[in-house]
Amino acid sequence: AQSVTQLGSHVSVSEGALVLLRCNYSSSVPPYLFWYVQYPNQGLQLLLKYTSAATLVKGINGFEAEFKKSETSFHLTKPSAHMSDAAEYFCAVSESSGGYQKVTFGTGTKLQVIP
Amino acid sequence: NAGVTQTPKFQVLKTGQSMTLQCAQDMNHEYMSWYRQDPGMGLRLIHYSVGAGITDQGEVPNGYNVSRSTTEDFPLRLLSAAPSQTSVYFCASSYEEPYNSPLHFGNGTRLTVT
Repeated sequence: AQSVTQLGSHVSVSEGALVLLRCNYSSSVPPYLFWYVQYPNQGLQLLLKYTSAATLVKGINGFEAEFKKSETSFHLTKPSAHMSDAAEYFCAVSESSGGYQKVTFGTGTKLQVIP
Repeated sequence: NAGVTQTPKFQVLKTGQSMTLQCAQDMNHEYMSWYRQDPGMGLRLIHYSVGAGITDQGEVPNGYNVSRSTTEDFPLRLLSAAPSQTSVYFCASSYEEPYNSPLHFGNGTRLTVT
């Protein structure tokens, strides 16, 4: 069975500092991995996805994530935080289950950006 | 560019009342799903559908019913609301294949049951 663990329910960074949000997964098959972002009072939006074409995946708004199979990790990074990055971030894993797509989400990490 | 549309945005119910949360998508997606979001618990899958006439249970289906009569619509019914169903509900859709198709979310329905 697949699962996702996000370390740290809250992360605070200063504006301009590195953002690192951690995600570890478990999956019985090679996974499809995603990061979503949720701004207040909105639904989730896709930030980036891993599909095995490349281990370093670039997403929107300057975010990127690196797939490390040996560590079963898919951490999200951004070199320089901006105030507009304050949001909640969700890691998700998708795999085929009984012939259908099954998506499992982590519990989310709220990012606070301090001016 | 409507995407996924959910109505209503907010709802307050009394215990025992019933209601239907509406979800419609205009992207011709085969896969539609309902999640509930609770603090510290992420998103949990309630029910999903892989096409018209086909639905199945997710992780937390008790107290909820769904049906899928058309590709576009996937309503969620609460038959007898309970305070434990106070939550934010999200509808999401995607192409069923490939399995790396991202989910497209509506803006949510905030439900309070008193």
